[in-house]
Amino acid sequence: DVKVTQSSRYLVKRTGEKVFLECVQDMDHENMFWYRQDPGLGLRLIYFSYDVKMKEKGDIPEGYSVSREKKERFSLILESASTNQTSMYLCASSGSGTDEQYFGPGTRLTVT
Amino acid sequence: GEDVEQSLFLSVREGDSSVINCTYTDSSSTYLYWYKQEPGAGLQLLTYIFSNMDMKQDQRLTVLLNKKDKHLSLRIADTQTGDSAIYFCAGYQGGKLIFGQGTELSVKP
Repeated sequence: DVKVTQSSRYLVKRTGEKVFLECVQDMDHENMFWYRQDPGLGLRLIYFSYDVKMKEKGDIPEGYSVSREKKERFSLILESASTNQTSMYLCASSGSGTDEQYFGPGTRLTVT
Repeated sequence: GEDVEQSLFLSVREGDSSVINCTYTDSSSTYLYWYKQEPGAGLQLLTYIFSNMDMKQDQRLTVLLNKKDKHLSLRIADTQTGDSAIYFCAGYQGGKLIFGQGTELSVKP
């Protein structure tokens, strides 16, 4: 069974704080993704990575950065959290040559 | 780029059939997907259809694809309260999955 885990289910941070969201997958997948989910907007892709140390911008990368130092781990970083980054953040992974993505349970981030 | 549209809400009674609709703009996706998100959880792949198929049936689920109209639908027969969730359709473009807004299905006893 593919397992994608995220470091926290719920997180509350203050405006201006640096925030790290961690994602780990145990299926040796090459591809990893970070999305944010907002009501009425569906899932929007923030960043993705096809390999260790590689990253590609998604549709809404502004205000975010990522790090992939190891194949199994993909981190999303909010350098200076703002209230408009309050959202549900979902991590996903997929194997090389396949479209099917496996999702983690999500982190609900609240920035006050 | 790809644009995927869904209606936001659907309410049905237990035992009825549910039909969730999706329209898309880009025909190049080899597969089209339906994901399910239960409350408080991530997304799980529910089913998918290959782009050269018109229909796929999987137990209570039927996926219909109308390529001419760029319309995808998911029918759930004998809908149960456990089917209450958000359902996302998705197509694949440029190495990325493009998701619709999600349809929240509410099943009333």
